[in-house]
Amino acid sequence: DADVTQTPRNRITKTGKRIMLECSQTKGHDRMYWYRQDPGLGLRLIYYSFDVKDINKGEISDGYSVSRQAQAKFSLSLESAIPNQTALYFCATSETGQGKDQPQHFGDGTRLSIL
Amino acid sequence: DAKTTQPNSMESNEEEPVHLPCNHSTISGTDYIHWYRQLPSQGPEYVIHGLTSNVNNRMASLAIAEDRKSSTLILHRATLRDAAVYYCILRDQGAQKLVFGQGTRLTINP
Repeated sequence: DADVTQTPRNRITKTGKRIMLECSQTKGHDRMYWYRQDPGLGLRLIYYSFDVKDINKGEISDGYSVSRQAQAKFSLSLESAIPNQTALYFCATSETGQGKDQPQHFGDGTRLSIL
Repeated sequence: DAKTTQPNSMESNEEEPVHLPCNHSTISGTDYIHWYRQLPSQGPEYVIHGLTSNVNNRMASLAIAEDRKSSTLILHRATLRDAAVYYCILRDQGAQKLVFGQGTRLTINP
């Protein structure tokens, strides 16, 4: 079983719809992240969370919201989807730093298409 | 964020070593050097990271220049499964995000 699981893996929807992407992890990590990847580009950080109910904006948070109600789950919502939010979305987790730089562990992504 | 420069693509043969270069001339003293790779249809996968000393793990080795302005990811014996886009990333210990550039697309020939 994957340590970081994203659902759904693929989603096609229409402009204006509300969409929720789910991420769950079995790694026991405190920190969770949402990124998006556009074709030919690197990943960009949307939101991140250090602990339950802790929410921090990343570099491209406009149009998105997140919820962290439990350590193992971090959900990303698009309140009113628009076509330029069509992208590949990745969730990641990491341990708390504690003086060391910790790597991030990624899920396999959700491919979202907004028509 | 400090910038890294990598070749767009590289090619190697199966069972041979692969050396993937990365230049980071503006690296600061607190920047860690991270390497991730992304296989087709998968999320990025952590490979290795280091600060000043060379590092080894089961996947690869990381050789860091003495002035830290460049580094090399070494795959000791490439397999077809190593074909991926490899990203060299600098991250300050206090930073939260990983800034992915274009990476190097590695092709492994049978």
